[in-house]
Amino acid sequence: ETGVTQSPTHLIKTRGQQVTLRCSSQSGHNTVSWYQQALGQGPQFIFQYYREEENGRGNFPPRFSGLQFPNYSSELNVNALELDDSALYLCASSLDTNSGNTIYFGEGSWLTVV
Amino acid sequence: QQPVQSPQAVILREGEDAVINCSSSKALYSVHWYRQKHGEAPVFLMILLKGGEQKGHEKISASFNEKKQQSSLYLTASQLSYSGTYFCGTPINNAGNMLTFGGGTRLMVKP
Repeated sequence: ETGVTQSPTHLIKTRGQQVTLRCSSQSGHNTVSWYQQALGQGPQFIFQYYREEENGRGNFPPRFSGLQFPNYSSELNVNALELDDSALYLCASSLDTNSGNTIYFGEGSWLTVV
Repeated sequence: QQPVQSPQAVILREGEDAVINCSSSKALYSVHWYRQKHGEAPVFLMILLKGGEQKGHEKISASFNEKKQQSSLYLTASQLSYSGTYFCGTPINNAGNMLTFGGGTRLMVKP
Protein backbone atom coordinates (compact mmCIF):
# COMPACT_ATOMS: atom_id res chain seq x y z
CA GLU A 1 0.00 0.00 0.00
CA THR A 2 1.75 3.13 -1.26
CA GLY A 3 -0.94 5.70 -0.55
CA VAL A 4 -1.16 6.53 -4.27
CA THR A 5 -4.67 5.96 -5.58
CA GLN A 6 -5.81 5.89 -9.19
CA SER A 7 -9.20 5.82 -10.88
CA PRO A 8 -10.76 4.24 -12.76
CA THR A 9 -9.19 0.81 -12.40
CA HIS A 10 -10.32 -0.48 -15.78
CA LEU A 11 -11.97 1.15 -18.74
CA ILE A 12 -12.77 0.45 -22.37
CA LYS A 13 -12.86 3.24 -24.95
CA THR A 14 -13.44 3.42 -28.67
CA ARG A 15 -10.78 4.63 -31.09
CA GLY A 16 -11.01 8.43 -31.50
CA GLN A 17 -12.54 9.03 -28.07
CA GLN A 18 -10.97 10.92 -25.19
CA VAL A 19 -10.11 9.64 -21.71
CA THR A 20 -9.24 11.20 -18.35
CA LEU A 21 -7.38 9.23 -15.70
CA ARG A 22 -7.03 10.48 -12.13
CA CYS A 23 -4.43 10.13 -9.42
CA SER A 24 -4.17 11.13 -5.77
CA SER A 25 -0.61 11.39 -4.55
CA GLN A 26 0.73 10.14 -1.24
CA SER A 27 0.29 12.62 1.59
CA GLY A 28 3.15 15.12 1.67
CA HIS A 29 4.26 14.44 -1.91
CA ASN A 30 4.30 17.38 -4.33
CA THR A 31 5.51 15.52 -7.42
CA VAL A 32 3.49 13.24 -9.67
CA SER A 33 4.76 11.29 -12.67
CA TRP A 34 2.79 9.32 -15.24
CA TYR A 35 3.99 6.20 -17.03
CA GLN A 36 2.55 4.01 -19.76
CA GLN A 37 3.24 0.29 -19.57
CA ALA A 38 2.39 -1.89 -22.55
CA LEU A 39 2.08 -5.63 -22.04
CA GLY A 40 5.45 -7.29 -21.52
CA GLN A 41 7.40 -4.04 -21.40
CA GLY A 42 8.83 -1.71 -18.80
CA PRO A 43 7.05 1.52 -17.85
CA GLN A 44 7.59 4.40 -20.30
CA PHE A 45 7.79 7.92 -18.88
CA ILE A 46 5.05 10.28 -20.11
CA PHE A 47 5.52 13.41 -18.00
CA GLN A 48 6.10 14.73 -14.50
CA TYR A 49 4.36 17.51 -12.60
CA TYR A 50 5.98 19.41 -9.74
CA ARG A 51 3.99 21.96 -7.76
CA GLU A 52 1.36 22.26 -10.53
CA GLU A 53 3.89 22.81 -13.36
CA GLU A 54 5.05 20.31 -15.97
CA ASN A 55 8.63 19.50 -15.01
CA GLY A 56 9.56 17.16 -17.84
CA ARG A 57 8.07 15.20 -20.69
CA GLY A 58 8.90 11.94 -22.42
CA ASN A 59 8.53 11.04 -26.06
CA PHE A 60 4.72 11.19 -26.25
CA PRO A 61 2.61 13.25 -28.67
CA PRO A 62 0.73 16.40 -27.58
CA ARG A 63 -2.56 14.51 -27.43
CA PHE A 64 -1.23 13.25 -24.08
CA SER A 65 -1.71 16.10 -21.62
CA GLY A 66 -1.93 16.52 -17.90
CA LEU A 67 -2.74 18.69 -14.97
CA GLN A 68 -1.73 18.92 -11.35
CA PHE A 69 -4.04 20.56 -8.84
CA PRO A 70 -3.23 22.62 -5.71
CA ASN A 71 -3.68 19.51 -3.54
CA TYR A 72 -1.09 17.80 -5.81
CA SER A 73 -3.55 15.30 -7.26
CA SER A 74 -3.22 14.90 -11.00
CA GLU A 75 -5.02 14.01 -14.22
CA LEU A 76 -3.80 12.44 -17.43
CA ASN A 77 -5.84 13.22 -20.53
CA VAL A 78 -5.49 11.41 -23.83
CA ASN A 79 -7.30 12.70 -26.90
CA ALA A 80 -8.04 10.96 -30.20
CA LEU A 81 -7.39 7.51 -28.75
CA GLU A 82 -5.55 4.99 -30.90
CA LEU A 83 -5.46 1.20 -30.57
CA ASP A 84 -1.80 1.39 -29.48
CA ASP A 85 -2.82 3.49 -26.47
CA SER A 86 -4.12 0.28 -24.86
CA ALA A 87 -1.90 -0.16 -21.81
CA LEU A 88 -1.58 0.10 -18.05
CA TYR A 89 -1.25 3.74 -17.02
CA LEU A 90 0.70 4.20 -13.83
CA CYS A 91 0.80 7.25 -11.63
CA ALA A 92 3.72 7.65 -9.24
CA SER A 93 4.26 10.22 -6.52
CA SER A 94 7.44 11.34 -4.79
CA LEU A 95 8.46 13.78 -2.09
CA ASP A 96 10.00 16.02 -4.72
CA THR A 97 12.00 15.74 -7.94
CA ASN A 98 15.35 14.80 -6.39
CA SER A 99 16.94 11.69 -7.86
CA GLY A 100 17.40 10.25 -4.39
CA ASN A 101 13.69 10.26 -3.67
CA THR A 102 11.68 7.12 -4.27
CA ILE A 103 8.77 7.19 -6.68
CA TYR A 104 5.82 5.17 -5.40
CA PHE A 105 3.41 3.71 -7.93
CA GLY A 106 -0.34 3.45 -7.68
CA GLU A 107 -2.21 0.32 -8.77
CA GLY A 108 -2.73 1.72 -12.27
CA SER A 109 -5.56 2.20 -14.72
CA TRP A 110 -5.99 -0.45 -17.39
CA LEU A 111 -7.10 1.17 -20.64
CA THR A 112 -8.38 -0.87 -23.56
CA VAL A 113 -9.04 0.91 -26.86
CA VAL A 114 -11.24 -0.97 -29.33
CA GLN B 1 18.39 5.96 -23.51
CA GLN B 2 16.94 3.10 -21.49
CA PRO B 3 19.18 0.80 -19.44
CA VAL B 4 19.81 -2.78 -20.53
CA GLN B 5 18.96 -5.63 -18.16
CA SER B 6 20.31 -9.15 -18.11
CA PRO B 7 19.37 -11.90 -18.03
CA GLN B 8 15.92 -11.57 -19.59
CA ALA B 9 14.58 -14.48 -17.56
CA VAL B 10 15.68 -16.72 -14.69
CA ILE B 11 14.17 -19.86 -13.20
CA LEU B 12 15.28 -20.80 -9.69
CA ARG B 13 14.52 -23.37 -7.05
CA GLU B 14 13.58 -22.05 -3.64
CA GLY B 15 16.72 -21.24 -1.67
CA GLU B 16 18.93 -20.59 -4.71
CA ASP B 17 20.59 -17.27 -5.47
CA ALA B 18 20.26 -14.96 -8.47
CA VAL B 19 21.92 -11.82 -9.78
CA ILE B 20 20.16 -9.33 -12.05
CA ASN B 21 22.24 -6.78 -13.91
CA CYS B 22 21.44 -3.30 -15.20
CA SER B 23 23.80 -1.30 -17.39
CA SER B 24 23.59 2.15 -18.91
CA SER B 25 25.35 3.87 -21.79
CA LYS B 26 25.53 7.15 -19.86
CA ALA B 27 26.79 8.28 -16.47
CA LEU B 28 24.48 7.30 -13.64
CA TYR B 29 23.57 9.34 -10.59
CA SER B 30 21.15 6.81 -9.20
CA VAL B 31 19.57 3.44 -9.96
CA HIS B 32 16.06 2.49 -8.83
CA TRP B 33 14.96 -1.15 -8.55
CA TYR B 34 11.33 -2.37 -8.64
CA ARG B 35 9.56 -5.73 -8.63
CA GLN B 36 6.25 -6.19 -10.42
CA LYS B 37 3.97 -9.19 -10.03
CA HIS B 38 1.57 -10.12 -12.80
CA GLY B 39 -1.37 -7.72 -12.97
CA GLU B 40 -0.03 -5.48 -10.21
CA ALA B 41 1.87 -2.19 -9.96
CA PRO B 42 5.67 -2.06 -9.59
CA VAL B 43 6.79 -2.14 -5.96
CA PHE B 44 9.85 -0.20 -4.82
CA LEU B 45 12.83 -2.32 -3.71
CA MET B 46 15.87 -0.10 -3.57
CA ILE B 47 17.59 3.11 -4.63
CA LEU B 48 21.35 3.26 -5.06
CA LEU B 49 22.90 6.69 -5.20
CA LYS B 50 26.17 8.00 -6.54
CA GLY B 51 28.57 8.07 -3.63
CA GLY B 52 27.44 4.80 -2.12
CA GLU B 53 24.22 5.57 -0.29
CA GLN B 54 21.49 2.95 -0.47
CA LYS B 55 17.88 3.00 0.63
CA GLY B 56 15.50 0.12 0.51
CA HIS B 57 14.56 -3.44 1.21
CA GLU B 58 16.30 -5.12 4.14
CA LYS B 59 16.49 -8.59 2.60
CA ILE B 60 17.74 -7.57 -0.84
CA SER B 61 21.18 -6.22 -1.58
CA ALA B 62 22.55 -4.42 -4.57
CA SER B 63 25.70 -2.84 -5.89
CA PHE B 64 26.32 0.27 -7.96
CA ASN B 65 29.49 0.66 -10.01
CA GLU B 66 29.49 4.28 -11.11
CA LYS B 67 32.60 3.88 -13.25
CA LYS B 68 31.16 0.95 -15.22
CA GLN B 69 27.68 2.53 -15.23
CA GLN B 70 26.23 -0.69 -13.89
CA SER B 71 24.12 -1.94 -11.03
CA SER B 72 23.41 -5.48 -9.86
CA LEU B 73 20.60 -6.79 -7.66
CA TYR B 74 21.42 -9.81 -5.50
CA LEU B 75 18.63 -12.15 -4.47
CA THR B 76 19.92 -14.66 -1.96
CA ALA B 77 18.13 -17.69 -0.56
CA SER B 78 15.21 -16.95 -2.87
CA GLN B 79 11.64 -17.43 -1.70
CA LEU B 80 8.52 -18.16 -3.72
CA SER B 81 7.42 -14.55 -3.08
CA TYR B 82 10.44 -13.28 -5.04
CA SER B 83 8.80 -14.35 -8.30
CA GLY B 84 7.94 -11.49 -10.61
CA THR B 85 9.51 -9.13 -13.11
CA TYR B 86 12.35 -6.92 -11.90
CA PHE B 87 12.93 -3.51 -13.46
CA CYS B 88 15.78 -1.09 -13.04
CA GLY B 89 15.16 2.59 -13.69
CA THR B 90 17.69 5.34 -14.27
CA PRO B 91 17.14 9.11 -14.36
CA ILE B 92 16.39 10.67 -17.73
CA ASN B 93 17.96 13.88 -16.41
CA ASN B 94 20.90 13.46 -14.09
CA ALA B 95 19.54 15.25 -11.07
CA GLY B 96 15.93 14.13 -11.21
CA ASN B 97 13.66 11.15 -10.63
CA MET B 98 12.00 11.00 -14.03
CA LEU B 99 13.01 7.44 -14.84
CA THR B 100 13.63 5.38 -17.94
CA PHE B 101 13.21 1.67 -17.25
CA GLY B 102 14.91 -1.39 -18.65
CA GLY B 103 13.00 -4.16 -20.38
CA GLY B 104 12.77 -6.22 -17.20
CA THR B 105 14.03 -9.57 -15.92
CA ARG B 106 11.41 -12.25 -15.34
CA LEU B 107 12.20 -14.32 -12.26
CA MET B 108 10.36 -17.52 -11.42
CA VAL B 109 11.05 -19.32 -8.15
CA LYS B 110 9.83 -22.90 -7.98
CA PRO B 111 9.32 -25.03 -4.85
